Formats: sequence, C-alpha cells, structure tokens
Amino acid sequence: EAGVVQSPRYKIIEKKQPVAFWCNPISGHNTLYWYRQNLGQGPELLIRYENEEAVDDSQLPKDRFSAERLKGVDSTLKIQPAELGDSAVYLCASSPTTDGFGNTIYFGEGSWLTVV
Amino acid sequence: AQKITQTQPGMFVQEKEAVTLDCTYDTSDQSYGLFWYKQPSSGEMIFLIYQGSYDEQNATEGRYSLNFQKARKSANLVISASQLGDSAMYFCAMREARMDSSYKLIFGSGTRLLVRP
Repeated sequence: EAGVVQSPRYKIIEKKQPVAFWCNPISGHNTLYWYRQNLGQGPELLIRYENEEAVDDSQLPKDRFSAERLKGVDSTLKIQPAELGDSAVYLCASSPTTDGFGNTIYFGEGSWLTVV
Repeated sequence: AQKITQTQPGMFVQEKEAVTLDCTYDTSDQSYGLFWYKQPSSGEMIFLIYQGSYDEQNATEGRYSLNFQKARKSANLVISASQLGDSAMYFCAMREARMDSSYKLIFGSGTRLLVRP
C-alpha cells in the first residue's frame, strides 16, 4: 500500500513568488493534515481536514496561505506571495479517523521549501 | 496548554548498546495519547510507538519500548541494541482532545541520535 505522497520534494523560489505543494493521502484516510517544520524544530499543525472540510485552520496564516481538498482526497497547500521566513519543510499527513487518541498519523516525506 | 519537552538536543550511543531518549509532557487532561516518531535525513516522519494514558503496560514494538511514568508525566523512548540505521531525529508527540473534539498532535523539539560504529 502506498504511503502519503507529496510533490515536489524540493523547491527553491524567490521571495514574493507563489508556490504550491500537493499531497495524496493514504487510500481511505479521511483526515488530512498539513504541518510546517522549521529547521531544528518539531512540526506544527497548519490545517486539518475531515474529508473536504477544513475543521482546524487556526494556525494557518490566511493572508498568504491557502489550502484546499476539493474532493476529500488529495490536497494542495499554496503560499502567495512567499516570504523568506516561509523556508521550511511542509509535511502532509493522514489518518483514518480522529475518533480516539491512538489512531496513528502517517506522514509523507515532506516538501522542502527554500525562499531566497 | 499542552506541552512536550525533549531536553536532549543530541545523543551519542555505541552500536549494539541501548539508549533512552527523554520526553516529558504537560497536560491537564486524563485522556491522551503519546507517540514517538523517527525522522531520518530523508525527512519522512516514521511512526515508532504509541502509549495511551490508560494503558497499564508500557508499550513495546520490536526494539522500541516506551517507559511510561504517568505520575511524573514522562514517556521516555528506549531503543535496545542500537543499529547504525537508528541515527536520526526522534520526536515525542502528544495527542489530546480539545474543546472542539479535534485531536491535535503536538511535537517536542526533537533529539538527534547518532549511533557510533
């Protein structure tokens, strides 16, 4: 079974340019997460989807970040315009359900963004 | 607010020896879950082990075991018989229910483990 797939793996852009990251979760997983991981730190949640509904986007900087999961399967995270401080790894993750504490969240390999 | 603390930014261990990675947490909830993830240089977060707050026995998964001390609010990861491939970042994470019934997973700052041959 395929894991969480993310694309692109690496992206270098100039500041003020737009960038988009794509994620395909594990088949059958209703819950999808986007996390941001700054260098030397643990991941921090940006947004969580239950099917196509964004149920927790309190940490998403809405002035420049947007996300969508139109059909409740794959998802896109966009940054426009990018700033130097957006350089980080953007991790997508999925889990089968949020009912209960023990449902494991599976992560993709991440999209490494460098803004120059 | 919940918080995860990993006080060891880096650790060395000799190959084939055991190592303990520390994790303490802070929560006012009685129900929560604790996780350990491994992140190699490739970047993927790999799930290692889970401990529920009501689990009476410490969780074990192969060479990984979780030393859960609820009263001390600690959930240390023990890796037995270290291998060179264990060199990676290790993150402790906690999941608890929030008022809106979402189950947010928060992470500590991580410990970098280096296994010496």
